Amino acid sequence: DAMVIQNPRYQVTQFGKPVTLSCSQTLNHNVMYWYQQKSSQAPKLLFHYYDKDFNNEADTPDNFQSRRPNTSFCFLDIRSPGLGDAAMYLCATSGGVLGQGTEAFFGQGTRLTVV
Amino acid sequence: ELKVEQNPLFLSMQEGKNYTIYCNYSTTSDRLYWYRQDPGKSLESLFVLLSNGAVKQEGRLMASLDTKARLSTLHITAAVHDLSATYFCAVTPEGAQKLVFGQGTRLTINP
Repeated sequence: DAMVIQNPRYQVTQFGKPVTLSCSQTLNHNVMYWYQQKSSQAPKLLFHYYDKDFNNEADTPDNFQSRRPNTSFCFLDIRSPGLGDAAMYLCATSGGVLGQGTEAFFGQGTRLTVV
Repeated sequence: ELKVEQNPLFLSMQEGKNYTIYCNYSTTSDRLYWYRQDPGKSLESLFVLLSNGAVKQEGRLMASLDTKARLSTLHITAAVHDLSATYFCAVTPEGAQKLVFGQGTRLTINP
């Protein structure tokens, strides 16, 4: 059974039109992450939530926002998508500090196309 | 800033052969992960290495970690076509709650 679920799997949006990607988890993990992976590149962390504490990476564009209304759900909002934002967006969770007996579990990803 | 470098980035090999992928990282960390990614798919966890000298094996894959050399290796034994994928190593910097990924090694195994 899938434990980290992303919806939708594929999303096509228009240039400049706000779009929201969602992630839910059944693991009751307290940390949730959003990674961006462009074609043939490594995943890059955008931000993460440790419980309700939001942690933004220094180089994440202001165009990207996130919400975590409860433990199970986390959303990625792209306010004005540009062509350069086309990518696979990966949600991940971990049950605490990475490496202290924990690891990150990834969802299936949402492939975003901007037209 | 932590840098994670994989070598080689592309690897084409024949079935039945052995090969090793290398992962070097630039700062102190004793937490290293290996992931597999099939085209268009998400990341599948292969190994979690948490201490110097850690060695883990699953089927034809074996991973090891040398924290003093800041080096991890992923060894493939008697490769089969099903192992064709992109393999990423990732490191958690000390004091940071994130994974920093290497560039990935695209592995193609030919019959």
